[in-house]
Amino acid sequence: SQKIEQNSEALNIQEGKTATLTCNYTNYSPAYLQWYRQDPGRGPVFLLLIRENEKEKRKERLKVTFDTTLKQSLFHITASQPADSATYLCASRGGGSYIPTFGRGTSLIVHP
Amino acid sequence: SQTIHQWPATLVQPVGSPLSLECTVEGTSNPNLYWYRQAAGRGLQLLFYSVGIGQISSEVPQNLSASRPQDRQFILSSKKLLLSDSGFYLCAWRGTGEHYGYTFGSGTRLTVV
Repeated sequence: SQKIEQNSEALNIQEGKTATLTCNYTNYSPAYLQWYRQDPGRGPVFLLLIRENEKEKRKERLKVTFDTTLKQSLFHITASQPADSATYLCASRGGGSYIPTFGRGTSLIVHP
Repeated sequence: SQTIHQWPATLVQPVGSPLSLECTVEGTSNPNLYWYRQAAGRGLQLLFYSVGIGQISSEVPQNLSASRPQDRQFILSSKKLLLSDSGFYLCAWRGTGEHYGYTFGSGTRLTVV
């Protein structure tokens, strides 16, 4: 079965810097990867989706890449702000399944 | 616009008591609906999903059950709660169209004591 691996250690960065989070998948290449933001005590909020045939997707200060050779997606937040502090989840869907597989998420802490 | 409602927000229940969590969706029809559980420091665990009224698929055998009595209503139940049922329960629906993102409810924090 597909596994989604995210760094369990929190990422601490200074305000204004670029945050980069990693998502690695095992087994088959997913049809697409999704990124979500989750604040404490709240449900995840969808941010971006990148398809298998796309190398890069951007939305405002967010950028997602998809490298099928490395089996990896990178999630970048440029000009990070303390308000970006949250847990970011990666999820994949593919292999003919309607069911997404979620990673455990990586906590991002942006220091002022 | 599509919205998803989930209640209650928090719940403290004794071991052996029943459970009923409700989720409703507005602004869409025939949605795919999901129940997830998130334990502290853990990832999202899919419990049930439904592609239509009366159609329930279970991903993990356990003390819980789900029902979909109406198109936009999804209910998570238990006849007798266990301590291990404690967690953060999330309802979600899958959007259609370009982004295929999942929309989650605000969640229910269940503590079984």
